[in-house]
Amino acid sequence: EAGVAQSPRYKIIEKRQSVAFWCNPISGHATLYWYQQILGQGPKLLIQFQNNGVVDDSQLPKDRFSAERLKGVDSTLKIQPAKLEDSAVYLCASSSLTDLYGGGYTFGSGTRLTVV
Amino acid sequence: LAKTTQPISMDSYEGQEVNITCSHNNIATNDYITWYQQFPSQGPRFIIQGYKTKVTNEVASLFIPADRKSSTLSLPRVSLSDTAVYYCLVFNFGNEKLTFGTGTRLTIIP
Repeated sequence: EAGVAQSPRYKIIEKRQSVAFWCNPISGHATLYWYQQILGQGPKLLIQFQNNGVVDDSQLPKDRFSAERLKGVDSTLKIQPAKLEDSAVYLCASSSLTDLYGGGYTFGSGTRLTVV
Repeated sequence: LAKTTQPISMDSYEGQEVNITCSHNNIATNDYITWYQQFPSQGPRFIIQGYKTKVTNEVASLFIPADRKSSTLSLPRVSLSDTAVYYCLVFNFGNEKLTFGTGTRLTIIP
């Protein structure tokens, strides 16, 4: 079974620039999550999608972050404009209810963003 | 959401059994306990999940006492490759959200 795919793997941008991350979840997984992980901390949930609808975006800084999941499959997370404090690893995860009973989320390897 | 508390770091020698204890005093009736492992430059990976008593899989065991206010992840005969951060989480199937703490950084010493 293919895992959660994310790209790019690394990204370096200057502050005030924009950046986008892409995620392709496991086939058939209805729920998709974006997490932000700052160095030395645990992942923090930014947004949760159920198919192509947003379930929870309470911790998404909406003045600069946006995310979409068109057609309920792939998703993109965008930051515009970026700030220095946005430097982090952005993790995408997906799950299905069946998977949660038998196991858990599946995470991608993440995109490491450095804002200079 | 039930908050979890676990040690910030632990060291152990290769070949030893490692036990990481997590407290979750406010766990709700519908909550499950799940543990994830994270290596550098990778996303967290599911290890084990349980509701009560003992759960064992090919990687680890999870011990949950009757009051469910704590749980212990047991890793048998650790090797250097078990060096990672281990997260204890509490969640329920209703909202499907995982809320991570800072985890326990486990270092295996040769």
